[in-house]
Amino acid sequence: SQQGEEDPQALSIQEGENATMNCSYKTSINNLQWYRQNSGRGLVHLILIRSNEREKHSGRLRVTLDTSKKSSSLLITASRAADTASYFCATDAYNQGGKLIFGQGTELSVKP
Amino acid sequence: DAEITQSPRHKITETGRQVTLACHQTWNHNNMFWYRQDLGHGLRLIHYSYGVQDTNKGEVSDGYSVSRSNTEDLPLTLESAASSQTSVYFCASRDTLNTEAFFGQGTRLTVV
Repeated sequence: SQQGEEDPQALSIQEGENATMNCSYKTSINNLQWYRQNSGRGLVHLILIRSNEREKHSGRLRVTLDTSKKSSSLLITASRAADTASYFCATDAYNQGGKLIFGQGTELSVKP
Repeated sequence: DAEITQSPRHKITETGRQVTLACHQTWNHNNMFWYRQDLGHGLRLIHYSYGVQDTNKGEVSDGYSVSRSNTEDLPLTLESAASSQTSVYFCASRDTLNTEAFFGQGTRLTVV
């Protein structure tokens, strides 16, 4: 079964609005990562947050991690049409030797 | 620049044929992974390798095999292709724990 479960499965917003995606997981982790996938392309790494970190920023991206609730969120601020893509969380589970296990993803559509 | 490449990008094959998908990385990463991506399932791990001569089964390994004879390559073989193996296949590599993974552009395989 998938380690990460993402919510919502699809999100449609207007340019300039913020987009929030959530990820829940089941086991203890070393870190949690977020990836982006444009249609027909490979995945591109966005941000990694370690298990001892609670929040991390990268440009317009803000990621939070709550290990007590086994959940993470990705916030994209001031979204642009170019942010339209699928976003995946991936867990680097503790004691799993470096395997990255992915959620099903959130499909984000940003309308101009 | 270092990169990870997959070939072919598209392939159509017949049921029962053996098919090999190539993955080549120039990052000199020890860890390499094969995933398949299907609608509604996100990315699922097929096989992975932590180094030369090391291979391990992922969550959906039945009908697939891999071999690791050098650091750069992890070919994925479908022993006897089945229609259920029609999918998009992604190869990835990463250095160590707590690092990002780099993905190839994917191979779209259709089994008819």
